[in-house]
Amino acid sequence: DVKVTQSSRYLVKRTGEKVFLECVQDMDHENMFWYRQDPGLGLRLIYFSYDVKMKEKGDIPEGYSVSREKKERFSLILESASTNQTSMYLCASSLDRSGNTIYFGEGSWLTVV
Amino acid sequence: TQLLEQSPQFLSIQEGENLTVYCNSSSVFSSLQWYRQEPGEGPVLLVTVVTGGEVKKLKRLTFQFGDARKDSSLHITAAQPGDTGLYLCAGYLYNQGGKLIFGQGTELSVKP
Repeated sequence: DVKVTQSSRYLVKRTGEKVFLECVQDMDHENMFWYRQDPGLGLRLIYFSYDVKMKEKGDIPEGYSVSREKKERFSLILESASTNQTSMYLCASSLDRSGNTIYFGEGSWLTVV
Repeated sequence: TQLLEQSPQFLSIQEGENLTVYCNSSSVFSSLQWYRQEPGEGPVLLVTVVTGGEVKKLKRLTFQFGDARKDSSLHITAAQPGDTGLYLCAGYLYNQGGKLIFGQGTELSVKP
């Protein structure tokens, strides 16, 4: 079974702090994604990556950056956390860009106070 | 920004009733996926539809992809309390680097 692991399930951070959300997949998938999920807005794509060291902006990249130094790991970085970044963050991976199943992690609940 | 409009946003029904959830867009998708999400968990794939006009059945769930591949529906027959959850549609855009965009979700509650 594919496993997408997000290192932190629940985090509380202060405004202005730098926040790292880590995601690891164990199936040698090419594509990895970061979404945030907010009530009434569904999942919105922040960044995605289809290869090591490659990244593409999603629909809401402002305030975020990403890093993909190794194929299995995709990190989401909040350089200076703000209260409007309080949300559930979901990492996902898929085999390639041909529309295969996307597998999600369990999510990371981030609260910025 | 591509939009995928999902409706209704909330649905509360009695056990045994039927329901339909809709997803509509002006974009043409390579495929469309339906997910179900439980509280505190990530979404889990239910089905992928690829061909315009395609219909797929999963027990009491029927999924349809529009002929123009811009819209889809999920129909549940004789809903049960175990169907309660958040249902998400997602359209796959192959010509944009393999991007999957989601609808807003439908929160379904089936009461015994």
